[in-house]
Amino acid sequence: GAGVSQTPSNKVTEKGKYVELRCDPISGHTALYWYRQSLGQGPEFLIYFQGTGAADDSGLPNDRFFAVRPEGSVSTLKIQRTERGDSAVYLCASSPQGLYGGITDTQYFGPGTRLTVL
Amino acid sequence: DAKTTQPNSMESNEEEPVHLPCNHSTISGTDYIHWYRQLPSQGPEYVIHGLTSNVNNRMASLAIAEDRKSSTLILHRATLRDAAVYYCILDASSNTGKLIFGQGTTLQVKP
Repeated sequence: GAGVSQTPSNKVTEKGKYVELRCDPISGHTALYWYRQSLGQGPEFLIYFQGTGAADDSGLPNDRFFAVRPEGSVSTLKIQRTERGDSAVYLCASSPQGLYGGITDTQYFGPGTRLTVL
Repeated sequence: DAKTTQPNSMESNEEEPVHLPCNHSTISGTDYIHWYRQLPSQGPEYVIHGLTSNVNNRMASLAIAEDRKSSTLILHRATLRDAAVYYCILDASSNTGKLIFGQGTTLQVKP
C-alpha cells in the first residue's frame, strides 16, 4: 500500500519568508510525528499528533514553528520568518496508534522535505 | 531520558554477519529497545525491538544482555543494501510515543 508521502521534496526559500510543508500519512494511522534532521545528525523530534490534537509539542524550537492536522489525516508544518538555521530535512512519520500496550508503535517515515533557507 | 552509546562507524564485508553494539547503562526496567535504520536519502525504517528476551525477525536479530545494559543488533548476512545509519533507541514507559534518536552507527558494507 501507499506509504507516507511528503511534499514538496525540496523547498528553497529566502530568509524571512513563510513556508508550509505537507505530510500525507498512511491511511488509518491515528498518530503522526514531525522530526527535523540536520546534516550528519539523527532526527530530532518536533511534534506528535494523536488524531487532530497535538499530544506532545515539546520539540518545537520556538513560536515560529506551528503544525496542524485539522481532520486527523494530512498535516502541515508551518514555519514563519524562516532563518538560515532552519535549513534541514523535515521528516514526517505515522503509526497506527502511537502507543500500543505501553510501548511506542512502529513509526513509518516519509522521504522528507529538504528545506534550504538562503 | 535514558541515553544510548553507539560506535560512530563500522565496516563489514558482504555476506558476512554484522554485530552492531549499543550501550544503555541507565536503562530502566520497563524501557523497550528499538532499532531503526536510515538508508541514504531516505527516512528511517523500523528494524526490530525488544524488552528482555532475544528477538528475531526477517530483517535481523536483537540480542539483549542479561542485565539489559547493552544490546546487539545482528545482521546475519550483510548485503550492500544494508549500508545505512543504524539507530538504537530507548523507549521509556513514560514516553508519549516520540523517538529520541542519537547519532547512530554508520555501517559500510564492502563487496
